[in-house]
Amino acid sequence: DGGITQSPKYLFRKEGQNVTLSCEQNLNHDAMYWYRQDPGQGLRLIYYSQIVNDFQKGDIAEGYSVSREKKESFPLTVTSAQKNPTAFYLCASSIGGQPAEQYFGPGTRLTVT
Amino acid sequence: GDSVTQMEGPVTLSEEAFLTINCTYTATGYPSLFWYVQYPGEGLQLLLKATKADDKGSNKGFEATYRKETTSFHLEKGSVQVSDSAVYFCAREAGGTSYGKLTFGQGTILTVHP
Repeated sequence: DGGITQSPKYLFRKEGQNVTLSCEQNLNHDAMYWYRQDPGQGLRLIYYSQIVNDFQKGDIAEGYSVSREKKESFPLTVTSAQKNPTAFYLCASSIGGQPAEQYFGPGTRLTVT
Repeated sequence: GDSVTQMEGPVTLSEEAFLTINCTYTATGYPSLFWYVQYPGEGLQLLLKATKADDKGSNKGFEATYRKETTSFHLEKGSVQVSDSAVYFCAREAGGTSYGKLTFGQGTILTVHP
């Protein structure tokens, strides 16, 4: 089955630690995206990548970093510089052209205490 | 810049009631438009889409028509079920050099009671 996997589903970390969230897709999509979702709010774009070895900042990139070394993988690191890291993180992918429909993974809920 | 505005929720309906969730977008170019649904604790699923003016997207009894003159893409369903309880997001394709990006509305929570 083709799709997007995110692991783990739940992640707990202590304040001051960096943590990396995994996102893998086998849809052969060129573009991948990371969003943050807070309770009662919409999705905010953190980073996106339209091609391997290239990525751009989204609307709320501060305190986050990404890499895109392989087409199928787009890991997100939440650094200790991120002031409010507790959130639900969603990864998505798309063919990279038009139409721009994106396909989402199941999400990772990160709790930092 | 690009934006999408959805009607504020939450929306609470009885089973078999008619559903409308309003969505309007900024008229920058001719973007593709989407509705996504999110069930509790899950990622978003594409519900339907429309790529040009007057297109009607439909899926699972839900419909939305791309109205260029009113810059709207309202979601409708004739008879909702308890299983339709979820959060619904309207989205537009971002314009300019943001090729392939989506701009999302804030989401509307729908609760359907038996």
